[in-house]
Amino acid sequence: DTAVSQTPKYLVTQMGNDKSIKCEQNLGHDTMYWYKQDSKKFLKIMFSYNNKELIINETVPNRFSPKSPDKAHLNLHINSLELGDSAVYFCASSPTGAPYEQYFGPGTRLTVT
Amino acid sequence: GQQVMQIPQYQHVQEGEDFTTYCNSSTTLSNIQWYKQRPGGHPVFLIQLVKSGEVKKQKRLTFQFGEAKKNSSLHITATQTTDVGTYFCAGEDRDDKIIFGKGTRLHILP
Repeated sequence: DTAVSQTPKYLVTQMGNDKSIKCEQNLGHDTMYWYKQDSKKFLKIMFSYNNKELIINETVPNRFSPKSPDKAHLNLHINSLELGDSAVYFCASSPTGAPYEQYFGPGTRLTVT
Repeated sequence: GQQVMQIPQYQHVQEGEDFTTYCNSSTTLSNIQWYKQRPGGHPVFLIQLVKSGEVKKQKRLTFQFGEAKKNSSLHITATQTTDVGTYFCAGEDRDDKIIFGKGTRLHILP
């Protein structure tokens, strides 16, 4: 019973393509997040969704768009992929109340060639 | 904007030695969390500190939250090979914004 799952695990694509990464959580959490981890292992929050509403939108390019069909899913769509988008993308979820701990998915390694 | 600085960026220790990573925020935090990421894995929640001056222990790990709620530390006693990984702190400010430190990568020398 995977708590937070992501698909695909690996994604190799060419510059200019559009791709999506899917995320699902079965924890009943109200908030979901997308993080980008670069080659230096820096973990940067990109978006968070609370009850299907965007509550944090960091300064990421508008080529990135989160889509949440329901509380259990938060997908990440990326348009016109660039070389600099290559990274590992983590989805995470957390409950609304304390202790606000985040549960991370296994990650999606995106390689743009 | 708010920053969360974490030092050192890398640490190599001999197995059995102690290890400490420090986290400093430019602003007062509501709480701070610590995560561990094994090589090739994903971040896993370790603990959350909320109260000023709070100290929590998990076996060989000791977590502290500063009196001003701007800094925190994670100390591992007698490191083992299973401690290898990157340790991240994540601070939540009063606007519920979460900022991760850049992590400390711990390498254990056998």
